[in-house]
Amino acid sequence: QSVLTQPPSVSGAPGQRVTISCTGSSSNIGAGHDVHWYQQLPGTAPKLLIYANTNRPSGVPDRFSGSKSGTSASLAISGLQAEDEADYYCQSYDSSLTGYFFGTGTKVTVL
Amino acid sequence: EVQLVESGGGLVQPGGSLRLSCAASGFTFSSHALTWVRQAPGKGLEWVSSISGSGGTSYYADSVKGRFTISRDKSKNTLFLQMNSLRAEDTAAYYCARASGIAGAGALDWFDPWGQGTLVAVSS
Repeated sequence: QSVLTQPPSVSGAPGQRVTISCTGSSSNIGAGHDVHWYQQLPGTAPKLLIYANTNRPSGVPDRFSGSKSGTSASLAISGLQAEDEADYYCQSYDSSLTGYFFGTGTKVTVL
Repeated sequence: EVQLVESGGGLVQPGGSLRLSCAASGFTFSSHALTWVRQAPGKGLEWVSSISGSGGTSYYADSVKGRFTISRDKSKNTLFLQMNSLRAEDTAAYYCARASGIAGAGALDWFDPWGQGTLVAVSS
């Protein structure tokens, strides 16, 4: 089972802004545990996109941004580009289940 | 450059065993916990197991507890996953990843980088 819920898909035209939600509970995101985001391009391994809620690793465009509030987190992609078509996953730690969990995943489609 | 390269995947019958390896380079091996994450065909990511930087502590998802064993060899800079009593539902791409922390169960940890993955198929 996954304790982090994401919308299955989101889409937008080039240049638009899309957001992906990651909904958890009081034992993971709501407990103050950090949320991290990964991008998985078709046929490739996941790649770290955002760490510790809001931070971008070197090389990640500033079009990608993260936020966290209460028991949820969000990833925003502004100025959507064709190369952003991928699956996106959030990740956090759950204190009750004592382990790491990934979100259900969201497929981003550029129209 | 930090690099992780998995190997050891393949086709195995239900009930069989397989040992995955992950060769690490480009960083101080014992300074980071290491993790296995799997992805069933067409499905999402699932955390499998983590091991501390020293190798002294390990953690497992309930779905593999008692069947899988994670270990690491400092002399070879290599991470392992021994998988026993394999089931059809273990069929997946298995990725190793470096954790940001050293403990292996850090509530703050993220995973970066990831290896390219190795495919495990459990079928008769």
